[in-house]
Amino acid sequence: DQQVKQNSPSLSVQEGRISILNCDYTNSMFDYFLWYKKYPAEGPTFLISISSIKDKNEDGRFTVFLNKSAKHLSLHIVPSQPGDSAVYFCAASVRISYNQGGKLIFGQGTELSVKP
Amino acid sequence: DGGITQSPKYLFRKEGQNVTLSCEQNLNHDAMYWYRQDPGQGLRLIYYSQIVNDFQKGDIAEGYSVSREKKESFPLTVTSAQKNPTAFYLCASNGRRVEAFFGQGTRLTVV
Repeated sequence: DQQVKQNSPSLSVQEGRISILNCDYTNSMFDYFLWYKKYPAEGPTFLISISSIKDKNEDGRFTVFLNKSAKHLSLHIVPSQPGDSAVYFCAASVRISYNQGGKLIFGQGTELSVKP
Repeated sequence: DGGITQSPKYLFRKEGQNVTLSCEQNLNHDAMYWYRQDPGQGLRLIYYSQIVNDFQKGDIAEGYSVSREKKESFPLTVTSAQKNPTAFYLCASNGRRVEAFFGQGTRLTVV
């Protein structure tokens, strides 16, 4: 039972254009959603997150949009740069308590290639 | 600097052997996690621990074992019962915040 899905294994965009990575989830109990960036043979690094009480969170070139009714979130990267080329993972979580984050459930990942 | 250290970076296992992957963190995080990455399958949760001396199975725990005797350490043993152990293993931890921090990973290969 795949609770978090990224249906596009790969995405190719031109430098300077917008990259849009998509993610769907099935568990309505998730209250936080996160995006990670990963290079081969390295651990993922955290990019940006959004709480389920919000519909948008922005950090520099990165913006995450959440559509709770559709159980869908997306990551927008504007403008895209060649250094953004990596695998991007969507993750979801249910917070354990006010002072403890919960386990993260990951999607399959989308490999982004930004061409100069 | 605070962080998560996984060792070794590369590990080779013979058929029928048990091997233990090390994970240490100095972030003072209560929770620690082990994930496995296979091509096209994302990160799958093996085991996790929310507190010392307690741990829970994740989605793919069969053939693995863990211990959590200290807050800083969460070693993963890949037993001979794990039928397809060749993979990239990632350890992570989180505390008050939801985002988890990851180590650099251990590549395990069966020879």
